[in-house]
Amino acid sequence: QQQVRQSSQSLTVWEGETAILNCSYENSAFDYFPWYQQFPGEGPALLIAIRSVSDKKEDGRFTIFFNKREKNLSLHIKDSQPGDSATYFCAASYPSGSWQLIFGSGTQLTVMP
Amino acid sequence: NAGVIQTPRHKVTGKGQEATLWCEPISGHSAVFWYRQTIVQGLEFLTYFRNQAPIDDSGMPKERFSAQMPNQSHSTLKIQSTQPQDSAVYLCASSLEGGEVFFGKGTRLTVV
Repeated sequence: QQQVRQSSQSLTVWEGETAILNCSYENSAFDYFPWYQQFPGEGPALLIAIRSVSDKKEDGRFTIFFNKREKNLSLHIKDSQPGDSATYFCAASYPSGSWQLIFGSGTQLTVMP
Repeated sequence: NAGVIQTPRHKVTGKGQEATLWCEPISGHSAVFWYRQTIVQGLEFLTYFRNQAPIDDSGMPKERFSAQMPNQSHSTLKIQSTQPQDSAVYLCASSLEGGEVFFGKGTRLTVV
């Protein structure tokens, strides 16, 4: 059973729109949720992250909305640009012990000019 | 800061041969991770070291895969008797304790 799920394999939006990428998780013990952005030929790079004590985290055009009760979160990319076209991974980790990140399967975002 | 450095970027091996992948973590980072990325399985955790000590290898296939960290400046992932299903991008990452995890660009392993 997948512990971190991303509901869409791909998403296409027009330039200037808000892209919304969704993620859900199984284990209520997860407390740290980073989103990673990956371009072809590159490793994943941290975009923005949230801890479970918060319900919203904003950084420029990127916002995470977090719902602990429903065990889901979403990444909103405001004013999407063609340069945002990439694969986005939702991940989760536990508060202590192993520091491994558990990744969702990724959403490939395409922003059309 | 050159980031996490992985060499080689691409490696082609024949079935049954050995492959060794190298990683140089960011200087001063205490945690080093290895992940494997494929289209089918996505990003899979393999193993990690903290202060050079192996902490969690729960994701490592037991029989042919091994990882070492002989000093704080490099780690290796060795795959013996490579099989076509080992073809993947192998990603190394490092972090400070509890900090942001930085990934390298990966080594694309192709087993023919």
